[in-house]
Amino acid sequence: GQNIDQPTEMTATEGAIVQINCTYQTSGFNGLFWYQQHAGEAPTFLSYNVLDGLEEKGRFSSFLSRSKGYSYLLLKELQMKDSASYLCAVKDSNYQLIWGAGTKLIIKP
Amino acid sequence: ETGVTQTPRHLVMGMTNKKSLKCEQHLGHNAMYWYKQSAKKPLELMFVYNFKEQTENNSVPSRFSPECPNSSHLFLHLHTLQPEDSALYLCASSPAGGETDTQYFGPGTRLTVL
Repeated sequence: GQNIDQPTEMTATEGAIVQINCTYQTSGFNGLFWYQQHAGEAPTFLSYNVLDGLEEKGRFSSFLSRSKGYSYLLLKELQMKDSASYLCAVKDSNYQLIWGAGTKLIIKP
Repeated sequence: ETGVTQTPRHLVMGMTNKKSLKCEQHLGHNAMYWYKQSAKKPLELMFVYNFKEQTENNSVPSRFSPECPNSSHLFLHLHTLQPEDSALYLCASSPAGGETDTQYFGPGTRLTVL
């Protein structure tokens, strides 16, 4: 079966750095997405990786290793507004998105 | 992202009621999606429409009935629902509905079935 694993919950301190991991087992691979979802709001697109390596976008970076079936989202200089759930999703060989259950990130002052 | 709107934002209904959820996208996209989001579970894809044609139906019970009159509007008609259908229902759209294009989500309808 197809599976996306990510931690259920993480806690970090304002101003610090946090890394949210995502491992996947899918039938084929056509890219990996990270979304941010604040409570009661729509998931919003953060990043897309299809090739190995690091993609940097401001305070957020996303890394992919296709051989390891692994990605992480790195958030730097954490702010209180970064408290949200972070969803990892992989497009499989049929171009269907397979979603993880999300990681709830709690930022403490 | 405010390009995808959903109404109502909250809905409480009894098991014998009939109601409809509405989604509208203002992004000029050609694909639209319905997802179910339950607490601590992955998003579940329900239906996909490409250029108004239904291309995915992920074994969704017939008490959920989608309708896509044009590329900008998507409805989910609900009837004789069960309490386990209570969840957040998210609509999304994307430019082409395939390959690697990005999906943009609406804020969702929080549905409670009594």
